[in-house]
Amino acid sequence: DAMVIQNPRYQVTQFGKPVTLSCSQTLNHNVMYWYQQKSSQAPKLLFHYYDKDFNNEADTPDNFQSRRPNTSFCFLDIRSPGLGDAAMYLCATGQPGAKYFGPGTRLLVL
Amino acid sequence: GEDVEQSLFLSVREGDSSVINCTYTDSSSTYLYWYKQEPGAGLQLLTYIFSNMDMKQDQRLTVLLNKKDKHLSLRIADTQTGDSAIYFCAERGDNQGGKLIFGQGTELSVKP
Repeated sequence: DAMVIQNPRYQVTQFGKPVTLSCSQTLNHNVMYWYQQKSSQAPKLLFHYYDKDFNNEADTPDNFQSRRPNTSFCFLDIRSPGLGDAAMYLCATGQPGAKYFGPGTRLLVL
Repeated sequence: GEDVEQSLFLSVREGDSSVINCTYTDSSSTYLYWYKQEPGAGLQLLTYIFSNMDMKQDQRLTVLLNKKDKHLSLRIADTQTGDSAIYFCAERGDNQGGKLIFGQGTELSVKP
């Protein structure tokens, strides 16, 4: 059974048009993460939440924001997507040991 | 800063063993991970090892950790064509809010 669910799996947006990606988890973990993975690169952490405490990586662009309304859900908002934001966006959760990733949302910016 | 390095490519024949190597720099790493990523898919957690362990075995997978040398390896026994994928090594430091630092991934190609 899927533990981390991401919707949609594919998202097409226009340059500058805001887009929201969603993630939910069934593990009831207090930590959630958003990673960005560009083609042929390693995943790069954008944000993480510990409960409602939000932690922004120093090099995450201001264009990216996140919301976590409850333990199960987390959203990634991209306010004005540029061509360079086309990537796979991966949500993850997990205890200090195992960390589970969702299937990802592939974002295409036209 | 923290760094994780892996070789980029490995090619093996079906039925052989594969060994994927990884080195890391953060001596405070508490957990180390191996993930598998197939084309267009997310990251599948294969296994992880706590830093006070030397070895962990799970079916065809064997993880070896040399903490002194900061070296981690993943051995896949009897490699199959379905094992072809990119394998990422990652480490979790003690003071990073659980953040994972990933290597650049090793592309494993299994030839019949």
